[in-house]
Amino acid sequence: GENVEQHPSTLSVQEGDSAVIKCTYSDSASNYFPWYKQELGKGPQLIIDIRSNVGEKKDQRIAVTLNKTAKHFSLHITETQPEDSAVYFCAASFTGGGNKLTFGTGTQLKVEL
Amino acid sequence: DGGITQSPKYLFRKEGQNVTLSCEQNLNHDAMYWYRQDPGQGLRLIYYSQIVNDFQKGDIAEGYSVSREKKESFPLTVTSAQKNPTAFYLCASSIGGATDTQYFGPGTRLTVL
Repeated sequence: GENVEQHPSTLSVQEGDSAVIKCTYSDSASNYFPWYKQELGKGPQLIIDIRSNVGEKKDQRIAVTLNKTAKHFSLHITETQPEDSAVYFCAASFTGGGNKLTFGTGTQLKVEL
Repeated sequence: DGGITQSPKYLFRKEGQNVTLSCEQNLNHDAMYWYRQDPGQGLRLIYYSQIVNDFQKGDIAEGYSVSREKKESFPLTVTSAQKNPTAFYLCASSIGGATDTQYFGPGTRLTVL
């Protein structure tokens, strides 16, 4: 089955700096890659997603890049703010994979003042 | 308000008792999912349902049971056979396909004493 690895597990940045979280996946058939943000005690919220026919997608301060050849995708947050502090999860799925999203183990991002 | 609701937010049970977690959605989504989240781990899929009266086992279904009698509802029962039931349980729904966005509820934290 699909396996998703996520790095780093923790990340501290200064306010205003950029943060990058990377994920690799094992199944070359994967074609959908969402990123979720989870605040303490709450359910994950989708922040951005990318599909395999696109190499990069941006939404204000957040961007995701996808390298299908290398089977990895990354989340980029620019101009980080304290409210960006949370746990971020990447995930992957593919058509025909039984409606299953496979999640990475999460990255605890801390934005320090 | 449209969305996914889970109740209760916190649940305490004695060892050996079955307990049922509620999940309701008014998004008119066909697919619903149950995940388990433990500290330092990603979300692991317990069960999912793509349509009413049908459901499939996920990666960690042992000790759990579900039903899908109505489109809006997908309750999860944690049975006494589940060896380590204390965890944060998350319900999600999507329009239907593997590459459709999954939207999460707020979660239920179950503690077995």
